[in-house]
Amino acid sequence: GIQVEQSPPDLILQEGANSTLRCNFSDSVNNLQWFHQNPWGQLINLFYIPSGTKQNGRLSATTVATERYSLLYISSSQTTDSGVYFCAVTANQAGTALIFGKGTTLSVSS
Amino acid sequence: KAGVTQTPRYLIKTRGQQVTLSCSPISGHRSVSWYQQTPGQGLQFLFEYFSETQRNKGNFPGRFSGRQFSNSRSEMNVSTLELGDSALYLCASSLAPGTVTATNEKLFFGSGTQLSVL
Repeated sequence: GIQVEQSPPDLILQEGANSTLRCNFSDSVNNLQWFHQNPWGQLINLFYIPSGTKQNGRLSATTVATERYSLLYISSSQTTDSGVYFCAVTANQAGTALIFGKGTTLSVSS
Repeated sequence: KAGVTQTPRYLIKTRGQQVTLSCSPISGHRSVSWYQQTPGQGLQFLFEYFSETQRNKGNFPGRFSGRQFSNSRSEMNVSTLELGDSALYLCASSLAPGTVTATNEKLFFGSGTQLSVL
């Protein structure tokens, strides 16, 4: 099956700093999503981005499908950005059985 | 519009018992999928239902089962509980997976049910 690797596993930032999170996947995918899990366990969908680039406020994501990686950019980080960021993919044409990476744990301090 | 609702929020069971978890998807969403999250294994796909039919199933033993009702609400059941079943069980809904559009395939998660098996 598809392997999903995220890096770095942990990231510590000062408020206002920028960061880049990476997701590598081992095979072609037709569905790639980024999620943020807050300290209370709630998973929030950030982007659906199997290819191309999208931006939403201070967050943006780019997926280069031909090279099998995706990047999540966080600019001007805030303490509320803390939590775990997951990349999830699937190559299954019939459904959304996502395979998750192990996540990047981000800690933003003021 | 209300989000994905999971009940109960917390559950404590003992080994050998069975448990049923409930999930109500976002209104209009027809697909419901379930995931198990543990510190050791991370987030793992359990199964997905669409229009009351199981579309996909993850690599879990037969003790884990689920179903979807005509109103798209879903339940999952775990029989003969084991200590290793302790986990956060997350339900997610989407409009209509497999149509390869951002709107239809984007997953929205509930807050989860934290199951502790003693």
